[in-house]
Amino acid sequence: QKEVEQDPGPLSVPEGAIVSLNCTYSNSAFQYFMWYRQYSRKGPELLMYTYSSGNKEDGRFTAQVDKSSKYISLFIRDSQPSDSATYLCAMKRGDDKIIFGKGTRLHILP
Amino acid sequence: ETGVTQSPTHLIKTRGQQVTLRCSSQSGHNTVSWYQQALGQGPQFIFQYYREEENGRGNFPPRFSGLQFPNYSSELNVNALELDDSALYLCASSGQGSLHFGNGTRLTVT
Repeated sequence: QKEVEQDPGPLSVPEGAIVSLNCTYSNSAFQYFMWYRQYSRKGPELLMYTYSSGNKEDGRFTAQVDKSSKYISLFIRDSQPSDSATYLCAMKRGDDKIIFGKGTRLHILP
Repeated sequence: ETGVTQSPTHLIKTRGQQVTLRCSSQSGHNTVSWYQQALGQGPQFIFQYYREEENGRGNFPPRFSGLQFPNYSSELNVNALELDDSALYLCASSGQGSLHFGNGTRLTVT
C-alpha cells in the first residue's frame, strides 16, 4: 500500500460547480497536510497548508483533514476555467520528509 | 521577495552523459530540496540540503548528487544518464514549513 493515494482523474466539471478532491494516507506519522496546484509546464504552487483536523478556508478553497480516517479533501467553490490544473496533495512527517500524491487532473468546462 | 528560479528550462542529453541543473532559492530560505517528477506522477524526493550539508535523501542512486553554496543556491548533478531519468526536475526552498517550487528543468534523455 502506498503511503499517499490520490485518484489521477481526469475530473471534468461544469463552470460554477463545487469541486471535491481527495487523498487517503496510511502513515499516522504525517503531521502536516498541503495542497498544491500545478499548471502545465509550471512548478507546483502552494494553495493550502494545515496541521490539524478540521477545516481551513481561504477564499474559494477549503481544506479538510480527518486524521481519524486518514483522509484529506480540497473543495473549490464557484469553479472557474482558470482552476483547470493538476492538484497534488502532500503530507509531511516529523522528519520533514514530504510525500506527494500522484495528482488529480481537473478540467473546468466553460 | 524573489521566487525560486531554475536553469536551464529544457535540456536534451544522450544516455551515459552527465548533467548539471541549477537552482536559486527564495530569498531568506536556507533549505533547498530537489524532486523528480515523471510524467503523470507526483514529485519524488531526491535529497535536501541545509546550510551546505545534505540532511535527507530519498530512494535515488549515488549517481544523483548535489551541492549547496553559501548563498543557498544549489546544483543537482546526475551522472551516467539513463532513459528513465527523463523527467521534470524541481527545486524547492523551504519557508515556514512548506515548500516553494521553481518551474523546473525538463530533462529528456535519448
